Amino acid sequence: NAGVTQTPKFRILKIGQSMTLQCAQDMNHNYMYWYRQDPGMGLKLIYYSVGAGITDKGEVPNGYNVSRSTTEDFPLRLELAAPSQTSVYFCASRDSGDDGYTFGSGTRLTVV
Amino acid sequence: QQQVKQSPQSLIVQKGGIPIINCAYENTAFDYFPWYQQFPGKGPALLIAIRPDVSEKKEGRFTISFNKSAKQFSLHIMDSQPGDSATYFCAAKEGGANNLFFGTGTRLTVIP
Repeated sequence: NAGVTQTPKFRILKIGQSMTLQCAQDMNHNYMYWYRQDPGMGLKLIYYSVGAGITDKGEVPNGYNVSRSTTEDFPLRLELAAPSQTSVYFCASRDSGDDGYTFGSGTRLTVV
Repeated sequence: QQQVKQSPQSLIVQKGGIPIINCAYENTAFDYFPWYQQFPGKGPALLIAIRPDVSEKKEGRFTISFNKSAKQFSLHIMDSQPGDSATYFCAAKEGGANNLFFGTGTRLTVIP
């Protein structure tokens, strides 16, 4: 049982480049989330999804896009990378009847 | 604006000591208060959670104390061990909402 799997673990992007952070869960959870973690700031919600085909913005959505075509996958897209997007990104999921989140191990992204 | 304020930023205790981490909130609609533990290079993992209908919850060596009137809650770690050295995050959420607001984290070091 893998839980929540994120790829890649590390990535360096140049300003203006694009990339997709992958997130997959094998627990059949309806709810999935993308957070970014910056030093001294805690975790901030970027986007979330309550099920396949349904997504919504969180606290800090600017510069990001998401899609949810299947229950298992919730990719996060950065279209024009900026230095302000240097961060550690965490994907999480939870079951409908449970408030506890299961997090992936994160993707450390550096934009130079 | 930080929805959940956490202190201290860092904490060093001797093995066997009882570290206490405090969190405060303003939104009285919050009704779910979890604590997450994060080791370096890993995602946060749910440690323990409480709802406002109780003032204390224990799970093993970890205890949450909750003061609804003061809008504060805290994590106590009994008989702390070097393996408890990690970053701890408090969080809060409104019932039915999808944004789990995190505190800024406390880095705990337990000295052998």
